[in-house]
Amino acid sequence: EVQLVESGGGLIQPGGSVRLSCAASGFIVSSNYMNWVRQSPGKGLEWVSVINGGGTVYYADSVKGRFTISRDNSKNTLYLQMNNLRVDDTAVYFCAREHFDFWGLQTRWYFDLWGRGTLVTVAS
Amino acid sequence: QSVLTQPPSASGTPGQRVTISCSGSTSNIAPNTVNWYQQLPGAAPKLLIYHDNQRPSGVSDRFSGSKSGTSASLTISGLQSEDEADYYCAAWDDNLSGRVFGGGTKLTVL
Repeated sequence: EVQLVESGGGLIQPGGSVRLSCAASGFIVSSNYMNWVRQSPGKGLEWVSVINGGGTVYYADSVKGRFTISRDNSKNTLYLQMNNLRVDDTAVYFCAREHFDFWGLQTRWYFDLWGRGTLVTVAS
Repeated sequence: QSVLTQPPSASGTPGQRVTISCSGSTSNIAPNTVNWYQQLPGAAPKLLIYHDNQRPSGVSDRFSGSKSGTSASLTISGLQSEDEADYYCAAWDDNLSGRVFGGGTKLTVL
């Protein structure tokens, strides 16, 4: 079965760190663009980070310098290392597989597979 | 403040047709494609429409997408109670060089 399963969330103190995992099955993580997207309580979706098949990574400005996306090809797993956490990082974190391409001058992308998410609560 | 603007709420009665709008700009919706996601209460988002108007396998043909200029729309025909959910539009933004989402629309089936 093709699926993504996140883990690693919990209650973290401000300034603390946590590593989220996203285990994939049914497809190869390293052959795909893989993303982290978060959703604060009662709010909308916010893109966080992406790693593409070549290993190039990008981050939202709100997490740049604090979060690191990576993958372990042998475990077919995506990670998000989150450091120096702030209260406003509190959210459900989803991992998502992405289809990304260029069609003429258009940039096309969509997330076709999502995990169920893991809740990270930053509070003292 | 989301880059793409959606109405916070929409509603309809069973069997009705409902349209949810997504307003953007010349740096996102106009030059690039739009996708739509459905998020049922307590669940992960699910891809509903990609490349402006394409439905993934398994998505009901009651859902359709369209785009004109700097705006896009999601239309749900034959509204059903199980369509009650949050709906999000998304696109690439050339100025931000990144993926942007709308703020979401909560659809209520009366």
